[in-house]
Amino acid sequence: QVQLQESGPGLVKPSETLPLTCTVSGGSISSYYWSWIRQPPGKGLEWIGYIYYNGHYSETTYYNPSLESRVTISVDTSKNQFSLKVSSVTAADTAVYYCARGSGTFGHDFDYWGQGTLVTVSS
Amino acid sequence: EIVLTQSPGILSLSPGERATLSCRASQSVDNKFLGWYQQKPGQAPRLLIYGASSRATGIPDRFSGSGSGTDFTLTISRLEPEDFAMYYCQRYGNSPRITFGPGTKVDIK
Repeated sequence: QVQLQESGPGLVKPSETLPLTCTVSGGSISSYYWSWIRQPPGKGLEWIGYIYYNGHYSETTYYNPSLESRVTISVDTSKNQFSLKVSSVTAADTAVYYCARGSGTFGHDFDYWGQGTLVTVSS
Repeated sequence: EIVLTQSPGILSLSPGERATLSCRASQSVDNKFLGWYQQKPGQAPRLLIYGASSRATGIPDRFSGSGSGTDFTLTISRLEPEDFAMYYCQRYGNSPRITFGPGTKVDIK
C-alpha cells in the first residue's frame, strides 16, 4: 500500500521560502508523476506542479504558470522523497499543502494523497 | 486556459436520493483526462472517477461518471450518509496542465 506523508514547518514568515517534503513508502518513486496541490482554508484545490523521475537519472518538472516563478520541485531517490520550495511567500500562500501520486499517461489521475499539512504565512 | 465550472454549488438532498453533479469546461476536454474527486472535511481528496467514466479502485458502483466534450456528469445513484461531501472535477491538458473545478457540496437536506 503506497503511503505519502508531508513534512515541514507549519509557520513561515512573509518573504521567506516555504520548504516541504513528501516521503513515499510502500512503493518506488520511479516511473510515476509526483505532484504538489494546495488548498487555502475554505477554498478549492490548486495544482502547483509535478516531477517525474524515470529511474534513469532523468527528471521532468512542470509547474502551474501562476506559480512557476516561485516554485521548485525536486526528488531525492535515495530517500524516496520529493520536495517543494515556494519562495517569497505572502499570506496568499497560506494553505493546506498535499502531495499526491499521479497515475495515467501524464500523471493526471491522483490516486494516492498525503494527509496534507497546513502552512501558515505570518510574521 | 480551460476553465471548469461546476453546478450546482450546493446540492441539498436526502439519503437514498439520486445526485447529479455537473462539470462544464470552457473548451473541449479529452475524456481520458477528466476525473472526479470526493473530499470530506479535514481529509485529502479521494479519486472516484478517472477517464470520465471509470471507477477508481474500491469505489462503490453507485458512483458513475459520464459525458464528453465540454459537459461531464457525476451521478450518485442512491446517496449514503458517507457520500455527503465536496466533489471536484479535474482535467489535464494544455497550460496549466492540471486544473480543478470549484466544487459542488452535497449536503443533507
